[in-house]
Amino acid sequence: DAMVIQNPRYQVTQFGKPVTLSCSQTLNHNVMYWYQQKSSQAPKLLFHYYDKDFNNEADTPDNFQSRRPNTSFCFLDIRSPGLGDAAMYLCATSRDLGDTQYFGPGTRLTVL
Amino acid sequence: DQQVKQNSPSLSVQEGRISILNCDYTNSMFDYFLWYKKYPAEGPTFLISISSIKDKNEDGRFTVFLNKSAKHLSLHIVPSQPGDSAVYFCAASGSSSGSARQLTFGSGTQLTVLP
Repeated sequence: DAMVIQNPRYQVTQFGKPVTLSCSQTLNHNVMYWYQQKSSQAPKLLFHYYDKDFNNEADTPDNFQSRRPNTSFCFLDIRSPGLGDAAMYLCATSRDLGDTQYFGPGTRLTVL
Repeated sequence: DQQVKQNSPSLSVQEGRISILNCDYTNSMFDYFLWYKKYPAEGPTFLISISSIKDKNEDGRFTVFLNKSAKHLSLHIVPSQPGDSAVYFCAASGSSSGSARQLTFGSGTQLTVLP
């Protein structure tokens, strides 16, 4: 089945220790997105890639970076996680900008 | 400033009855609306969408209604089933949403369908 896969599902890291979250898709979609969702809040877009073009949201902290080495994979790097970065991180894809977005299962990040 | 609002954080409905989830928006440039369902510890699952050129879209037990003049949309689930218990997010996008036509999400409504 075509899908959006996120690994790991649960990630624990220590304060200040870099962490990388992974997303892969078999949908061959052009656009990949990373969202942060904290409890009882709406998902918040961090950035997106349209093919190899990276687009950062204006209020995304510098602590968050992303890489898309090929169409299928996209990574979220958190350089120095703080306690406030504990959240669910959601990856999504869409065929093109403005099309329906399909989400992965998310990675729950805990920062100790 | 919340551009997409779901004013009911929770809703309980008896199995077999209709569930009506509501969503209001303020940005008149929004032209595409979606509903997502989210189970605990999972990502949102796309449910149904509607373009602003329509006022109704139906898919099985799910119907979305759009009232552009009132800037209001609603999701009807009939009949409701216990497996429908989840958080439902309303989302919207439009030409003013930036280069990504990014989705603006509401804060969600927890639907509980009682057996």
